[in-house]
Amino acid sequence: GQQVMQIPQYQHVQEGEDFTTYCNSSTTLSNIQWYKQRPGGHPVFLIQLVKSGEVKKQKRLTFQFGEAKKNSSLHITATQTTDVGTYFCAVMDSNYQLIWGAGTKLIIKP
Amino acid sequence: DAGITQSPRHKVTETGTPVTLRCHQTENHRYMYWYRQDPGHGLRLIHYSYGVKDTDKGEVSDGYSVSRSKTEDFLLTLESATSSQTSVYFCAISGGLLLTDTQYFGPGTRLTVL
Repeated sequence: GQQVMQIPQYQHVQEGEDFTTYCNSSTTLSNIQWYKQRPGGHPVFLIQLVKSGEVKKQKRLTFQFGEAKKNSSLHITATQTTDVGTYFCAVMDSNYQLIWGAGTKLIIKP
Repeated sequence: DAGITQSPRHKVTETGTPVTLRCHQTENHRYMYWYRQDPGHGLRLIHYSYGVKDTDKGEVSDGYSVSRSKTEDFLLTLESATSSQTSVYFCAISGGLLLTDTQYFGPGTRLTVL
């Protein structure tokens, strides 16, 4: 079935440094969604990408969808403590179910 | 946040006992989902519903059953709980035309099976 690989599993950064997480699929995707989950919280929708090569920005967050629609990335510029959490991508499989990446945990070093 | 509640929020039970988790929404959304979340696995879909009395299996449905007798309520039942079902369970809803439209999540239920 559909699988999506998300890397890295963890990323430790100093506050003010950048953060990036990647999602990769072996098959062409119709769309990809990104969610954020704060520690102890529930996933919260961030954005959906649909078009090949699409780039969307939300303040310090930049989302990209690859030209071949097989990969996507989320980049955070100048991380802040409020960015701490786990970031997930989610893609649709052939049964129209969302398949989730394993998530990338953003950890700010003290 | 969307109007989604889950009950109970925490539960400890013993192996072999039945357990029912409840998800209640006030948004009148068509689609409802049950996921489990385990370290290193992200979220995995257990069952979902696309209307009253209309349900289907997800990726990890073995050992679970669901029911939806009203639009607002979606129940997840573990007929005979096992330790492998210790997890955090999230309910989600979506109201779009497509099954994969944006999903809104409840606060989660932490279940421990001893």
